[in-house]
Amino acid sequence: GESVGLHLPTLSVQEGDNSIINCAYSNSASDYFIWYKQESGKGPQFIIDIRSNMDKRQGQRVTVLLNKTVKHLSLQIAATQPGDSAVYFCAEMVIGQGGKLIFGQGTELSVKP
Amino acid sequence: GAVVSQHPSRVICKSGTSVKIECRSLDFQATTMFWYRQFPKQSLMLMATSNEGSKATYEQGVEKDKFLINHASLTLSTLTVTSAHPEDSSFYICSASSSGGGQETQYFGPGTRLLVL
Repeated sequence: GESVGLHLPTLSVQEGDNSIINCAYSNSASDYFIWYKQESGKGPQFIIDIRSNMDKRQGQRVTVLLNKTVKHLSLQIAATQPGDSAVYFCAEMVIGQGGKLIFGQGTELSVKP
Repeated sequence: GAVVSQHPSRVICKSGTSVKIECRSLDFQATTMFWYRQFPKQSLMLMATSNEGSKATYEQGVEKDKFLINHASLTLSTLTVTSAHPEDSSFYICSASSSGGGQETQYFGPGTRLLVL
């Protein structure tokens, strides 16, 4: 299930299940969005991106959905594996403004074997 | 390709001392580097944007005299935490991109853990 901790929401799923991680972004002018995975003690790792002229993009085992009407992003991970356990962040950017990324709150994904 | 390194990976220092953190792009030229700070269980907060050969642009609330940023070459940016105090203890992460102003990919370093005693 999903819960909200003091700072970081957590999502716990069973291995093999699909995971859905949600993110609300803040700037309606943002036109480029990225999902990152961060393992403990490491820097963020790029997963998938999407531009605002799209509402869905698929990668290997991952899909990003964008709903600009409600400023919402989601990351779907198919057949979640223990190696997917990490903190996932969405980030938004306004193209042409120096490449500045604004990160969302983050969600900690825990995969139970 | 597109590897970014940080040095040191972790540092412990006494309160009042200064600490320098290096960020290097190993296989590309980074016109822009970004510095972030991350407290435990929190998100990355952008501190400043650094363009090679010019002064860094700091985010609101970040003291430029405390967090000195130098981007003297296309492969190296440094962040110096001056007169560090325990509240500066954090995870500092840099990223680098190879073009300016557009939709550029940022490559992140592995982070530097700073502990101020």
